[in-house]
Amino acid sequence: GQNIDQPTEMTATEGAIVQINCTYQTSGFNGLFWYQQHAGEAPTFLSYNVLDGLEEKGRFSSFLSRSKGYSYLLLKELQMKDSASYLCAVRKGSSGSARQLTFGSGTQLTVLP
Amino acid sequence: KAGVTQTPRYLIKTRGQQVTLSCSPISGHRSVSWYQQTPGQGLQFLFEYFSETQRNKGNFPGRFSGRQFSNSRSEMNVSTLELGDSALYLCASSGTAQETQYFGPGTRLLVL
Repeated sequence: GQNIDQPTEMTATEGAIVQINCTYQTSGFNGLFWYQQHAGEAPTFLSYNVLDGLEEKGRFSSFLSRSKGYSYLLLKELQMKDSASYLCAVRKGSSGSARQLTFGSGTQLTVLP
Repeated sequence: KAGVTQTPRYLIKTRGQQVTLSCSPISGHRSVSWYQQTPGQGLQFLFEYFSETQRNKGNFPGRFSGRQFSNSRSEMNVSTLELGDSALYLCASSGTAQETQYFGPGTRLLVL
């Protein structure tokens, strides 16, 4: 099976930087995704990593270390609207075959003024 | 490009009834996955359809079923509803670029 761990809650101040960690254990790893979900809304895709290293996209960056089973999402210049749940999801399965995303429980981030 | 759409958005049913939810993927996307989201269990994978075939299935009872049509639209059905089936049901579609899954707004089901 798969085990994905991420902190339940985090709090940070507007304008600051926050790092949300995600650790996973899985076989057949084929990518790690980060999604943002505001209360009552659907998850929105943020980033994707399949190779080791850092992927940067504006204020958001995501890092992956496959050997350590570890990823983090870095949010810079925090804004109030960044208050949301951040979901780490691991995909397993090879190209062209059945794919499945397994989600962590999510990290509820609260940004304070 | 229009996003993933789901109908209905809200639904109230009673125990024992059955329900059918619909999902229309992003144009050109052939893979549709369904998830159940509850406060206690989080987001859990139900099943995935690709070109009208179920490719993968999560750990849910047989009361949960689905299908996909030739235009990639998908439906999921839950029979003999139980109180514990109350949840947000999310559909996600993916194409070929990284096969990132894009979620629809969800159908919020309440079973009384």
